[in-house]
Amino acid sequence: GAVVSQHPSWVICKSGTSVKIECRSLDFQATTMFWYRQFPKQSLMLMATSNEGSKATYEQGVEKDKFLINHASLTLSTLTVTSAHPEDSSFYICSARNTMNTEAFFGQGTRLTVV
Amino acid sequence: GESVGLHLPTLSVQEGDNSIINCAYSNSASDYFIWYKQESGKGPQFIIDIRSNMDKRQGQRVTVLLNKTVKHLSLQIAATQPGDSAVYFCAALSGNTPLVFGKGTRLSVIA
Repeated sequence: GAVVSQHPSWVICKSGTSVKIECRSLDFQATTMFWYRQFPKQSLMLMATSNEGSKATYEQGVEKDKFLINHASLTLSTLTVTSAHPEDSSFYICSARNTMNTEAFFGQGTRLTVV
Repeated sequence: GESVGLHLPTLSVQEGDNSIINCAYSNSASDYFIWYKQESGKGPQFIIDIRSNMDKRQGQRVTVLLNKTVKHLSLQIAATQPGDSAVYFCAALSGNTPLVFGKGTRLSVIA
């Protein structure tokens, strides 16, 4: 199946700093990528939909100025957690759908810990 | 999105038995459904999918059943193995909308 690579797989940062997470589709072009957040023992919660070349669409309750999303090419989307706080500690997962808009492929996730 | 994360229900099965994991969806316009397996600390892995014009699809040791009348989806795992222990999510798609995930079920296989 298609491969989605997410980097880094884990990161620890100090409170108040910013962290960038990359999501790449390795063998297909992804016009749309999705960013999810998952807290322990909970389901994946959609944060935003990232469309190549346009602004991301954020879900209700997700601060767009805190979670900056850039989808500059058909193979790369980035999520930047700005001024991170301990409550932002979570597992962040990206997903990419190919241009046929069928199956979605997931990255391996990024464990963010803010101390 | 329609899914709200709550504490995960758990299904415990004996090794070798069959497992049935259930999922309900709310959007009657959903036309494509996927089951994912998520192991601890990893992203979801695709298991099997089904389109709304089907009511059953079989894979290797797995079967997905779709009942559109009651908006219900199930995943059956035959001869469950310890390696099947994970959290299983169903997800529904409608057109170009993002995947909406169910709350997930933790499958625990007892050796």
